[in-house]
Amino acid sequence: AQKITQTQPGMFVQEKEAVTLDCTYDTSDQSYGLFWYKQPSSGEMIFLIYQGSYDEQNATEGRYSLNFQKARKSANLVISASQLGDSAMYFCAMRYNAGNNRKLIWGLGTSLAVNP
Amino acid sequence: EPEVTQTPSHQVTQMGQEVILRCVPISNHLYFYWYRQILGQKVEFLVSFYNNEISEKSEIFDDQFSVERPDGSNFTLKIRSTKLEDSAMYFCASSGGDKVPDTQYFGPGTRLTVL
Repeated sequence: AQKITQTQPGMFVQEKEAVTLDCTYDTSDQSYGLFWYKQPSSGEMIFLIYQGSYDEQNATEGRYSLNFQKARKSANLVISASQLGDSAMYFCAMRYNAGNNRKLIWGLGTSLAVNP
Repeated sequence: EPEVTQTPSHQVTQMGQEVILRCVPISNHLYFYWYRQILGQKVEFLVSFYNNEISEKSEIFDDQFSVERPDGSNFTLKIRSTKLEDSAMYFCASSGGDKVPDTQYFGPGTRLTVL
């Protein structure tokens, strides 16, 4: 069965510093995708970045990058140059990339606080 | 930029009452989803919908739940007889249906409180 583990319930980072949010996953599938979402205090769920299991390069989207280590089954999110607006919950999620199963399996999330 | 919308933003209901949560997915998307997030817990998949039928559902999605796409734009989740444990944030999402990555875009959520 698929499982996502986020071991950091809370993280602090100083404004303008970089921060890494951990995500490990468990799956026996070869084809899968990993997603990161941001949930601010207002509650909406905002897509940040995607990494496919067959992608050879780490995904990047602006200040977000994904440190994908397939052998270790980890997909850590790196936020560079943290801003106050980055304070939020961050969720790692996974789905099959084969067949018609498209449900996302979620981790418990990491609460990030950016200090001025 | 197109977005998923949900109404209402908050819903308070009495136990045993029926509620309908409404969503307008992104217009050219083909897959629609409902998830829920109980306060302090992980996000849970409820159901996915494609081509006017349920494509996948979780164990949570029992006979008390139903989904419908009554017209070309709305996607609804009905809970027939609400229970206290149905109190949660309910998210609607939609995706384009491409094979990869088929990113799911979420609405702002409906916070359901069952008293």
